[in-house]
Amino acid sequence: DAMVIQNPRYQVTQFGKPVTLSCSQTLNHNVMYWYQQKSSQAPKLLFHYYDKDFNNEADTPDNFQSRRPNTSFCFLDIRSPGLGDAAMYLCATSSLPGEGKNIQYFGAGTRLSVL
Amino acid sequence: AQSVTQLDSHVSVSEGTPVLLRCNYSSSYSPSLFWYVQHPNKGLQLLLKYTSAATLVKGINGFEAEFKKSETSFHLTKPSAHMSDAAEYFCVVRVQGGGNKLTFGTGTQLKVEL
Repeated sequence: DAMVIQNPRYQVTQFGKPVTLSCSQTLNHNVMYWYQQKSSQAPKLLFHYYDKDFNNEADTPDNFQSRRPNTSFCFLDIRSPGLGDAAMYLCATSSLPGEGKNIQYFGAGTRLSVL
Repeated sequence: AQSVTQLDSHVSVSEGTPVLLRCNYSSSYSPSLFWYVQHPNKGLQLLLKYTSAATLVKGINGFEAEFKKSETSFHLTKPSAHMSDAAEYFCVVRVQGGGNKLTFGTGTQLKVEL
């Protein structure tokens, strides 16, 4: 019955080795978000998509990229992971602003470890 | 700009006693406010939301929150804590003019003891 699904739940990568995290949704929402959450901190928005329109936060490093090939899927690519990129990565979805409840629905997250 | 301040980073209660998690907001507009809960190694789950309707908002799992404009507060309460309530709680405000972007508080870790 999961609505926002993140795979894998745990990911281990090596320093500098590219890694991709995936998110899919069954809600048919137009907006998808990627957050980074470091230990004992609040989630921090990296970027989001309105449909195919990509919106990057000003302080998101270039090392982080994203792709959204269709409504259901969104990917987070980390081109050269550093030790400081170890974190929980959360995907969320919502309807367009003004379409009603505008609640963000979160996936269970992918915990990334960098060795 | 909108912001929220969670006044306690850690709260500890005994099972069966009331829970109070405090949140103050700052906004020049009537804000949309939310409480999310995060259990260890899990994603965030919406507990409740305030969007300028009733000031007393009831959420899931027996939680509720009251919007008090005069105090710029949106505290989360529950009459009787359960062990399963132990988690991190985030007070969140929607960014005005930011589409549906959210600004999170720093979180309150709730510990429930026997």
